Amino acid sequence: GDSVTQMEGPVTLSEEAFLTINCTYTATGYPSLFWYVQYPGEGLQLLLKATKADDKGSNKGFEATYRKETTSFHLEKGSVQVSDSAVYFCALHRSGGSYIPTFGRGTSLIVHP
Amino acid sequence: EADIYQTPRYLVIGTGKKITLECSQTMGHDKMYWYQQDPGMELHLIHYSYGVNSTEKGDLSSESTVSRIRTEHFPLTLESARPSHTSQYLCASSDRTVTDTQYFGPGTRLTVL
Repeated sequence: GDSVTQMEGPVTLSEEAFLTINCTYTATGYPSLFWYVQYPGEGLQLLLKATKADDKGSNKGFEATYRKETTSFHLEKGSVQVSDSAVYFCALHRSGGSYIPTFGRGTSLIVHP
Repeated sequence: EADIYQTPRYLVIGTGKKITLECSQTMGHDKMYWYQQDPGMELHLIHYSYGVNSTEKGDLSSESTVSRIRTEHFPLTLESARPSHTSQYLCASSDRTVTDTQYFGPGTRLTVL
């Protein structure tokens, strides 16, 4: 079955540092890949997505590229801010009415001033 | 902007009480989900629904039950709460587009004494 593996946290960075959170997946075919973010005390919200190989999703300075050859969807940001402190979830979805999404375990990011 | 609501946001109750966690969405989504989120942040799917009168159990065994009488409403009920039910509960819904993006409510933090 499908699975998503993301790096364990917490990831602790200073403000303006470069961020990478690794995500790899196991799946057949061509799923869509997502990053969700959960700020303290809130539910998850979509950060970015990519629906096919070589697509790049981007939002709020974050980027991730769908790499089918390495089955990866790593999240990157060039310069993190304190306000980026949150938990980040990588997820895999498929089209079709009966499919249930697969989430990674989440990676906590802490950004210090 | 996603419109999915959960009430109450916080609930503290005694062992043995019956409780219902409410979840409503105004987007007309057919699919709805309940997740339990542990302190390590991992999401565990406990129930889902494909539409009215459709309910399924998820990966995590749960003593809760759900109903789906109306498209917009997906309540979760615990007949007899126990301390082991203490957790964060997240409700989500999704559309039927190719990408099937999930939209999450803010969550209910349940504490059973």
